[in-house]
Amino acid sequence: EVQLVETGGGLIQPGGSLRLSCAASGFTVSGNYMSWVRQAPGKGLECVSLIYSGGTTYYADSVQGRFTISRDISKNTLNLQMNSLRAEDSAVYFCARVGSGINLGYFDYWGQGTLVTVSS
Amino acid sequence: VLTQSPATLSLSPGEGATLSCRASQSVSSSLAWYQQKPGQAPRLLIYQASNRATGIPARFSGSGSGTDFTLTISSLEPEDFAVYYCQQRSNWPPLTFGGGTKVEIK
Repeated sequence: EVQLVETGGGLIQPGGSLRLSCAASGFTVSGNYMSWVRQAPGKGLECVSLIYSGGTTYYADSVQGRFTISRDISKNTLNLQMNSLRAEDSAVYFCARVGSGINLGYFDYWGQGTLVTVSS
Repeated sequence: VLTQSPATLSLSPGEGATLSCRASQSVSSSLAWYQQKPGQAPRLLIYQASNRATGIPARFSGSGSGTDFTLTISSLEPEDFAVYYCQQRSNWPPLTFGGGTKVEIK
């Protein structure tokens, strides 16, 4: 059974750093495209970062240069290092698997999300 | 840019629902629909415009291509009241979502 479990969210001051992790089971993170999708309170969904199975990464303009997506193959986890955090980064962050084959580009499995609040 | 309408749909259980998603340029059939209930992650309902994901009931159907897409719920069950998002994968990244349509109980 595919499962994704995010950890690492919390309250952080503007300018601070936070590292989110997503533990995967039922499949290998390194063999799939993975992503972080966030949702600000009461708002819609935004894909902020992707990592392809080959290691290529993508970042939304809103987080480019501040966030870094990575994988830990030994732990089968996906990570998101978030630096220079701003109030507008406050959101629930979901880890999601991007499907393969005909599902490539769609998010077929999601974690439950972890809340990040950036506030002084 | 994906634009969803209406923003809110007020309906009663048993009624049919028609949700619209319009793309600012053609995305071919590269469109998905998701359902999100309060406090939960989104769930993939429809991919490639018209294919139901695993385990999705037949009352959910998707149609359209190019710039105009529709999600139809034939007869609303109590558990269908939620927010629905469309998402495109044409010429990605980025992978982008519409603003959502809330289906609420009338």
